[in-house]
Amino acid sequence: NAGVMQNPRHLVRRRGQEARLRCSPMKGHSHVYWYRQLPEEGLKFMVYLQKENIIDESGMPKERFSAEFPKEGPSILRIQQVVRGDSAAYFCASSPSGAYEKLFFGSGTQLSVL
Amino acid sequence: GESVGLHLPTLSVQEGDNSIINCAYSNSASDYFIWYKQESGKGPQFIIDIRSNMDKRQGQRVTVLLNKTVKHLSLQIAATQPGDSAVYFCAEKDNQGGKLIFGQGTELSVKP
Repeated sequence: NAGVMQNPRHLVRRRGQEARLRCSPMKGHSHVYWYRQLPEEGLKFMVYLQKENIIDESGMPKERFSAEFPKEGPSILRIQQVVRGDSAAYFCASSPSGAYEKLFFGSGTQLSVL
Repeated sequence: GESVGLHLPTLSVQEGDNSIINCAYSNSASDYFIWYKQESGKGPQFIIDIRSNMDKRQGQRVTVLLNKTVKHLSLQIAATQPGDSAVYFCAEKDNQGGKLIFGQGTELSVKP
């Protein structure tokens, strides 16, 4: 049973470009969460999605960031017009049931903005 | 705002000793807590969880204790091994908005 799969592991973008981060949840999981982690800090909640629905996006910046979890395919976290402050590790987690319990995390995508 | 924090940012123990990592939380209405282990360059790995209707829960070599009176959570690791070296995060489920809120983390270093 494969775990949560994230790709790419490393992503380098220049300022102003777009970044797309992908996450495939564990088999049987229909709840996906995105977190951001800065160096030597804890994880900060961004968004919680179920298939085709955004349940809670209270942690998402108001501009440039969006997330989706389509009926088919992985969840996508999209960052438009990236800035250096977007550089961070972005982790995706999935859970078998909702309500933020027993989250299983992927290995993350390290985004570096030049 | 953030409500979960750790007493000590770093902890160094001798191999074979027991480790205790502490965590304080401020939301007395939180009803679910979870511990994660994060090794360098990897994602957080689930260790153990506990609901607020319990005081103690045991796993393999780990025990989580919950003291709701003083809003304190601890993770005990028995017979600590070098492979236990990592950053440990506690997280609290905010039942107001439902989000899982993470603390800053404690770095555990195991000396051989």
